[in-house]
Amino acid sequence: QKEVEQDPGPLSVPEGAIVSLNCTYSNSAFQYFMWYRQYSRKGPELLMYTYSSGNKEDGRFTAQVDKSSKYISLFIRDSQPSDSATYLCAMSAPGGYQKVTFGIGTKLQVIP
Amino acid sequence: ETGVTQSPTHLIKTRGQQVTLRCSSQSGHNTVSWYQQALGQGPQFIFQYYREEENGRGNFPPRFSGLQFPNYSSELNVNALELDDSALYLCASSLAAAGVGPGANVLTFGAGSRLTVL
Repeated sequence: QKEVEQDPGPLSVPEGAIVSLNCTYSNSAFQYFMWYRQYSRKGPELLMYTYSSGNKEDGRFTAQVDKSSKYISLFIRDSQPSDSATYLCAMSAPGGYQKVTFGIGTKLQVIP
Repeated sequence: ETGVTQSPTHLIKTRGQQVTLRCSSQSGHNTVSWYQQALGQGPQFIFQYYREEENGRGNFPPRFSGLQFPNYSSELNVNALELDDSALYLCASSLAAAGVGPGANVLTFGAGSRLTVL
């Protein structure tokens, strides 16, 4: 079993839709949770960073962490064609060097 | 503020050869990590460097080695290349006290070096 599970998609939605992306994980030591966006032929860029459980909002993006269920989500409101990319969930545990464990990534296409 | 730059962007090698990939950290960052991203997969942690020393390593064999220089730039070396080494190699820099702690996992990635092994 992988430490981090993520549906690879692809996920195709019309412009303006609300997008929900999710990951589950098995390592209860994870405390830091991140979402990265990766455009084709580019490196990942950090979108959201949260510590422990709870919600965090940044513009059209909302990240949720439910540690009791080992489940994290990213919501994108009013999706735009420019949001078309692969979304990677990532997480790490405190203490020592910071190895970040990534999901496989969900490929999202927003259709105009 | 400059971002993370990597070179070369693409390269092709044959099985058994050796390769060196280079990375310049984002200005102000002191920690460098390398990740391997196979096609259709998420990045996999190779190792992390702080103060010119490896301070963490993932599940990669010793033929994967690295260096960090006093200016925080870094190299990834892979010996005895295998077909499965074909991937996008990503360098990421971060800022952390003593190379550990939450700052070290806020990664700024370069665009990667795409290695093809024939």
